[in-house]
Amino acid sequence: DQQVKQNSPSLSVQEGRISILNCDYTNSMFDYFLWYKKYPAEGPTFLISISSIKDKNEDGRFTVFLNKSAKHLSLHIVPSQPGDSAVYFCAASAVFMGNQFYFGTGTSLTVIP
Amino acid sequence: EPEVTQTPSHQVTQMGQEVILRCVPISNHLYFYWYRQILGQKVEFLVSFYNNEISEKSEIFDDQFSVERPDGSNFTLKIRSTKLEDSAMYFCASSESGRGRGEQFFGPGTRLTVL
Repeated sequence: DQQVKQNSPSLSVQEGRISILNCDYTNSMFDYFLWYKKYPAEGPTFLISISSIKDKNEDGRFTVFLNKSAKHLSLHIVPSQPGDSAVYFCAASAVFMGNQFYFGTGTSLTVIP
Repeated sequence: EPEVTQTPSHQVTQMGQEVILRCVPISNHLYFYWYRQILGQKVEFLVSFYNNEISEKSEIFDDQFSVERPDGSNFTLKIRSTKLEDSAMYFCASSESGRGRGEQFFGPGTRLTVL
């Protein structure tokens, strides 16, 4: 059961432009969401998170937006840099569902210099 | 900066053999996890571990799998009799808090290849 979905397997963006990565979820119990970045041959590294009591969280060039009614979150990267090229996973968890994270399938972002 | 480490980086084994994947979580973390990622698929939760016992496990984590914290630093995943479909990247993670709060810090992964 795919509870967290990333429908775009890949995305290409010009350097300096905005990258928008999308994630949808089906379980309304999820109340905490995270984005992880993964380079080849490395483990996922934490990027940014958002609690369901918020609809936006910003950290430098990275902003995560949460639309609870649509069960949708997005990660905006502005401006995009070549070093941002990686696979981005969104993950979700629920306080009443234990401490596991449910991951999406990932979106491979390529930032073109 | 503290990090999660995993050994080996790549393990090749014959079907039916036992493998042990090792992890050293971040030292002040109390919650430990194993995830796996089959090539081209999503990262899947296997098991979480707290206070020397399994706190949660997925349907993937059947009787062939076991976890252990044999000493104060290592956290291991054992696969008793490997199958071809166990070939995947296995990620260890740790966190300060549990119950889905706070980020989990991931190790670089062990690539397991079952022949």
